[in-house]
Amino acid sequence: KNQVEQSPQSLIILEGKNCTLQCNYTVSPFSNLRWYKQDTGRGPVSLTIMTFSENTKSNGRYTATLDADTKQSSLHITASQLSDSASYICVVSGSTNAGKSTFGDGTTLTVKP
Amino acid sequence: EAGVAQSPRYKIIEKRQSVAFWCNPISGHATLYWYQQILGQGPKLLIQFQNNGVVDDSQLPKDRFSAERLKGVDSTLKIQPAKLEDSAVYLCASSLRGQGASQQYFGPGTRLTVT
Repeated sequence: KNQVEQSPQSLIILEGKNCTLQCNYTVSPFSNLRWYKQDTGRGPVSLTIMTFSENTKSNGRYTATLDADTKQSSLHITASQLSDSASYICVVSGSTNAGKSTFGDGTTLTVKP
Repeated sequence: EAGVAQSPRYKIIEKRQSVAFWCNPISGHATLYWYQQILGQGPKLLIQFQNNGVVDDSQLPKDRFSAERLKGVDSTLKIQPAKLEDSAVYLCASSLRGQGASQQYFGPGTRLTVT
């Protein structure tokens, strides 16, 4: 069964600090991995997408890494801002079964002043 | 480019009542998805349409949930009768192509509370 596990479940950091969120998956065969940001009361918004051959992708202060051998990904947030407070969801798509996507339960990040 | 539109944004009903949600996807997007997101969890796919045909409805509780996408554009999701465990946010998303092949764009969701 395809699964996506995210850790930690929640995280509180001070403004200006860095943090790293983790995503482990069992989806196989693998097609791509996306990180989404979901603000409270809104739908998820895509931050990055990585395919098998990519191991790093940046989007401003967000940097995602992918290790396809160990089936792990991380999302690193640099110099956090209050607006980074949100849920971050890891989504892994397979290359079979019509590219079905498996969603993680997300990490809730709270940035405090 | 206009985003995915959903209405209503909030709905409170009593158990055993019926409710309907509406979604208008981004123009030109062939694929439309309905997700259920329970508090503290990731979205769970209920149904996926490709134009006006159903691609995946394996997790749709068909005894109480129904969805249609007439004319391959906007879509409605209905629950009849509602149960307490249906309390969740219902997200609609659309993409140019199916599932992982292209980015999904999400609407703001409809928060349903069943009392």
